[in-house]
Amino acid sequence: EAGVTQFPSHSVIEKGQTVTLRCDPISGHDNLYWYRRVMGKEIKFLLHFVKESKQDESGMPNNRFLAERTGGTYSTLKVQPAELEDSGVYFCASSLNRGQGDTEAFFGQGTRLTVV
Amino acid sequence: AQSVSQHNHHVILSEAASLELGCNYSYGGTVNLFWYVQYPGQHLQLLLKYFSGDPLVKGIKGFEAEFIKSKFSFNLRKPSVQWSDTAEYFCAVNANTGGFKTIFGAGTRLFVKA
Repeated sequence: EAGVTQFPSHSVIEKGQTVTLRCDPISGHDNLYWYRRVMGKEIKFLLHFVKESKQDESGMPNNRFLAERTGGTYSTLKVQPAELEDSGVYFCASSLNRGQGDTEAFFGQGTRLTVV
Repeated sequence: AQSVSQHNHHVILSEAASLELGCNYSYGGTVNLFWYVQYPGQHLQLLLKYFSGDPLVKGIKGFEAEFIKSKFSFNLRKPSVQWSDTAEYFCAVNANTGGFKTIFGAGTRLFVKA
């Protein structure tokens, strides 16, 4: 069974440019999460999809970040325009939705974003 | 707000030493608790989890954790570490705050000297 895959694995962009990160969850997983880890700090929650709906986007830093999950399959996270402080590793995770949170999340390998 | 606190950011041990990593969370309701591990160059992966039942849970590679509800704690233990346990360990909590999301602690980097 394929795991959670993220693309690209690395991205280096200039300040002001746009970057789109993609996450393909495990097939059948309704829950999809985005997290970010800035160098040396904790893994911070960004948002949570259940199928195509945004369940919780309380962690999104500002309106330069836009996440979508059309059709409830893969998800994209767009940063436009990128700023230096957006640099970090962006993780995606997916899990089954049994309605009680008692399922483990499976993580992708992360996308390392560097804004210069 | 829900939060997870890990007591140590860096731990250095010699092989065969015992390990205990502290984790406390702040949420008064029913919680699901996890420890994840990230080995160098690899994905985050699940080490063990607690949903209900016996508060002493056993995970992979000889790790175990004890849920103490009264202390809001879920400490990770291993009686005898190996060099291959060098990794970063994350405690995480999943609770229903109008929808479930997993909140992570800041992580503990463990280095085991051979």
